[in-house]
Amino acid sequence: DIVLTQSPGTLSLSPGERATLSCRASQSLTSRYFGWYQQKPGQAPRLLIYDASSRATGISDRFSGSGSGTDFTLTISRLEPEDFAVYYCQQSGGSPPEITFGQGTRLEIK
Amino acid sequence: QVQLAQSGAEVKKPGSSVKVSCKASGGTFSSYAISWVRQAPGQGLEWMGGIIPTFVKANYAQKFQGRVTITADESTSTVYMELSSLKSEDTAVYYCARDREEYGLYYYMDVWGKGTTVTVSS
Repeated sequence: DIVLTQSPGTLSLSPGERATLSCRASQSLTSRYFGWYQQKPGQAPRLLIYDASSRATGISDRFSGSGSGTDFTLTISRLEPEDFAVYYCQQSGGSPPEITFGQGTRLEIK
Repeated sequence: QVQLAQSGAEVKKPGSSVKVSCKASGGTFSSYAISWVRQAPGQGLEWMGGIIPTFVKANYAQKFQGRVTITADESTSTVYMELSSLKSEDTAVYYCARDREEYGLYYYMDVWGKGTTVTVSS
């Protein structure tokens, strides 16, 4: 089974700073099926990035994704107050297909 | 604009079953996968399985095989998730979510329900 490990567990930054979140897979992934979600307290997750680097509909260009193989990154270029949330990476694949999430990175205001 | 409306909160006894519904409105139903994702209090996201209604056959995460049943009713645009042999560890918010791509085999979920809280307690 593929395991996704996110780092850091918690990231403390100030508005206006740049955030870099990492996700490492236990085996090489097909980028076609790797994405990132944002979740705020009491809300359902929201898709931010799919296919490792494509922004979902309505997502600010401050969010960007990169990576391939086993190492993927979510970058938020200039943090806004509404960006402070928990972020999850996700991969899908296999036969039969399954979806796996990382354990999450909490982005908090410093 | 597709929306997913989930059934209300449930309180169940250990060993019993729970059935949660997810009704789609405002868009195409049968050709998009609907997944179920749960989140225990203070924990991360866990994919349980899903179904593409027109294909009828559901797919399940290995962890939940034999304990979860996902079905779809095309006449009412509703997907159901039934979890049996409930334990206290099943206490969680259960979300349904629609796949981003038509006929996508559980790739990405871009429309989510608001979640249904299931509490398992004696």
